[in-house]
Amino acid sequence: DAGVIQSPRHEVTEMGQEVTLRCKPISGHDYLFWYRQTMMRGLELLIYFNNNVPIDDSGMPEDRFSAKMPNASFSTLKIQPSEPRDSAVYFCASSLPGPGANVLTFGAGSRLTVL
Amino acid sequence: EDKVVQSPLSLVVHEGDTVTLNCSYEVTNFRSLLWYKQEKKAPTFLFMLTSSGIEKKSGRLSSILDKKELFSILNITATQTGDSAVYLCAVESSGADGLTFGKGTHLIIQP
Repeated sequence: DAGVIQSPRHEVTEMGQEVTLRCKPISGHDYLFWYRQTMMRGLELLIYFNNNVPIDDSGMPEDRFSAKMPNASFSTLKIQPSEPRDSAVYFCASSLPGPGANVLTFGAGSRLTVL
Repeated sequence: EDKVVQSPLSLVVHEGDTVTLNCSYEVTNFRSLLWYKQEKKAPTFLFMLTSSGIEKKSGRLSSILDKKELFSILNITATQTGDSAVYLCAVESSGADGLTFGKGTHLIIQP
């Protein structure tokens, strides 16, 4: 398996633009998580899905952020409109169901810079 | 709100030294504690601990959990430059969804 695949790896955009980050989880993993990492706040959970259904989005900063998982092999995190404070590395992670649900496998991350 | 605190925030040692990284937590209904290593990219899984006093070991790395005092340590013996990374501690609890991460310890091993 190629692991969790994220794209783009790097994105530089201007304030106000729409940003879409993509994630392909490991096949067979029922859980998918979106995390954001900054120097100040570390890794923060934004939202997670179980079997394509959003379970908890309380970590999503505000309405500018939205996430979807239309099928078991694809998820997007969208920021519209983007702001400079959204600059961070966004990680997608997936995990198995059952006892392995807490052992996350992370993607390589998408580094977002909003100017 | 669940809280995970790691110390030190950064550490610089020489190759061959032994280091101990600390993780303390305050969570609702603890389930497990996990250690990850993050180099330039994605965090990679090291250990999962659920029971007090049972050491997990992998090569030069080892970890132990104390559920009474609510902390864990990660030991690295005979450090090598390849051990340079950010080491993240995370806790799973019934009080929060997903894992709650600490801010990490940035470890630098000098040749």
